[in-house]
Order: sequence, then structure tokens, then C-alpha cells
Amino acid sequence: ETGVTQTPRHLVMGMTNKKSLKCEQHLGHNAMYWYKQSAKKPLELMFVYSLEERVENNSVPSRFSPECPNSSHLFLHLHTLQPEDSALYLCASSQDLGFRSYEQYFGPGTRLTVT
Amino acid sequence: TQLLEQSPQFLSIQEGENLTVYCNSSSVFSSLQWYRQEPGEGPVLLVTVVTGGEVKKLKRLTFQFGDARKDSSLHITAAQTGDTGLYLCAVYNFNKFYFGSGTKLNVKP
Repeated sequence: ETGVTQTPRHLVMGMTNKKSLKCEQHLGHNAMYWYKQSAKKPLELMFVYSLEERVENNSVPSRFSPECPNSSHLFLHLHTLQPEDSALYLCASSQDLGFRSYEQYFGPGTRLTVT
Repeated sequence: TQLLEQSPQFLSIQEGENLTVYCNSSSVFSSLQWYRQEPGEGPVLLVTVVTGGEVKKLKRLTFQFGDARKDSSLHITAAQTGDTGLYLCAVYNFNKFYFGSGTKLNVKP
């Protein structure tokens, strides 16, 4: 048990659907992250939040929309996705940002399939 | 060009064998982390190394940070089937976390 939970674990959606991924951390951390993991590619950082403020948007298409209502919860809203968006979406948290806060704790991920 | 190059990409060995995987870069880092990821799960942090030349042990796993803090290795002694997974190295650089592509290890019984 890593202290970071994600729901749903699996999601199949059509290209015209709208869905949301949810992440919750129980570690008292101040920073949260969304990553995309595709086959044969390194983990790609998508968004970074620190104390509920977005501090990084790594050139992610607007069909992905993050939301951080408080420091324990992070959402990723999805709409009009493409089949190439199928991947494992991972949420992570760390104590803070900054070079001393370099240890991230990951959730189990949501396996997304876009049909 | 990736910031972190991991080798080998794939490794398939018998239970009981020893192995070493590598994480290399041309950049210098203040710290480096190793994670293990099992299929369908998120990466789990194994260790953080901070000092050049540092060696850390976690049961049968030995982690070393290069003297120049540009590279790291992970050595597993007497591998077990439970060691199977994707081993990832990661660094924090210019306000971002970067991961290598990983070494996929399969330990056969």
C-alpha cells in the first residue's frame, strides 16, 4: 500500500466520451503529479501541482484537463480523446517541490483504452 | 536524446543468478532514485542515492552512485522470481523529474 490511490483502475472510453480520473494521496504531501506511460516510452510528466497551484504543464493537449481542489486530491478530466492516448496514467505525490523533495510515491495507475 | 540511458533494456535470467543494470547520463545530478514497477502497477521507490560513490544495500539489492554523480548501478544477488519487474532510474533536474526507459527483468524459476 503506497498511500496513493487511483480510480478507476481500468477505463474504456469512446473518442466522444467525457470521463475523469481520480487520485487521492493519504501521505500529507504538498505536490502531486500526472504521468503518462505508453509502451516502449519513458514515463512522461504531464502536470505538476504544488499546494493546489499548477506549476507545470508539459505541452499536454487541451483534451486533458487537470484539477486539484485540495492538496490530497487530483483529477484528470478527459474529453474527445484519440486512440493514441491509450496508456497507463499514473498519479504521484511528493512532500514538496524542490531538489530536496525528490522522492515520489505513485498510485497503481488507470489503464485507459480509447476506442 | 534521453537524459537517462538505462541498459540493458531487457534481461532474462534464471533464479539464483546475479545481475547488474545501469543508468547513465552525461549530466551531473544531486540525487538519483531507483524504482521497481510490476505489471499493471505504479513504480515503487526502492532507494535514493545522494553522495558520489555512495553504496546502499536493500537486502539482496546493492545500489551505487557514481563518483562523478553521472551514473548509477543496481546489482541483484541471487535473483528470485519476485524480483521480476521494470527497474527505472529517475532524477530531479531543473524543476522536473526525468525517468529512464527502464530495464525489464524477467527471473525464471
